[in-house]
Amino acid sequence: DSGVTQTPKHLITATGQRVTLRCSPRSGDLSVYWYQQSLDQGLQFLIQYYNGEERAKGNILERFSAQQFPDLHSELNLSSLELGDSALYFCASSVGGDPGYEQYFGPGTRLTVT
Amino acid sequence: AQTVTQSQPEMSVQEAETVTLSCTYDTSESDYYLFWYKQPPSRQMILVIRQEAYKQQNATENRFSVNFQKAAKSFSLKISDSQLGDAAMYFCAYRRRPNTGNQFYFGTGTSLTVIP
Repeated sequence: DSGVTQTPKHLITATGQRVTLRCSPRSGDLSVYWYQQSLDQGLQFLIQYYNGEERAKGNILERFSAQQFPDLHSELNLSSLELGDSALYFCASSVGGDPGYEQYFGPGTRLTVT
Repeated sequence: AQTVTQSQPEMSVQEAETVTLSCTYDTSESDYYLFWYKQPPSRQMILVIRQEAYKQQNATENRFSVNFQKAAKSFSLKISDSQLGDAAMYFCAYRRRPNTGNQFYFGTGTSLTVIP
């Protein structure tokens, strides 16, 4: 158990819908990362927040947005969902924002878009 | 643009033997981090080992070690005394050290099978 929690574990929704994925980092970690793992795109970094502010941005679509709240939990919002958005979405946390800090991954949220 | 290439989609090793997973990357930067992550069937991502580019000494973590060749842009992972629990997908990843809006780049992964 990494100490990072993600809810829900599984999510099934229809095309065009909007969903919110939630991540709670390990106690004391200030940085949260979001990743997408799909069969066709592989593992992709989406976005990083550090202490409430966006720190780095990867291949995140405009239909996706994220934020980190004052209590440091983070949410990833996916809207206008398409079949290709079906994937495993990971959240990870680390103490600092520098890439040298070890990231601890949550168990992931499996999103299925039908 | 930075890219990470893992040319071995699948590898197998006999239990207790040694196996080496290959990774090459492309970058114009001089200061960066390289990582190997393990993803077992549970899908949990686990950091195996980390290498800072400015350190010439190869990183080692118990049975896991790397061969970091900066000039050749190569970062291979050696697993010694392979165990059944090492069976997993292994991902090589790159990230530039100065954290100025940079990204993580991952390879496509190598699926490792450990034969009893």
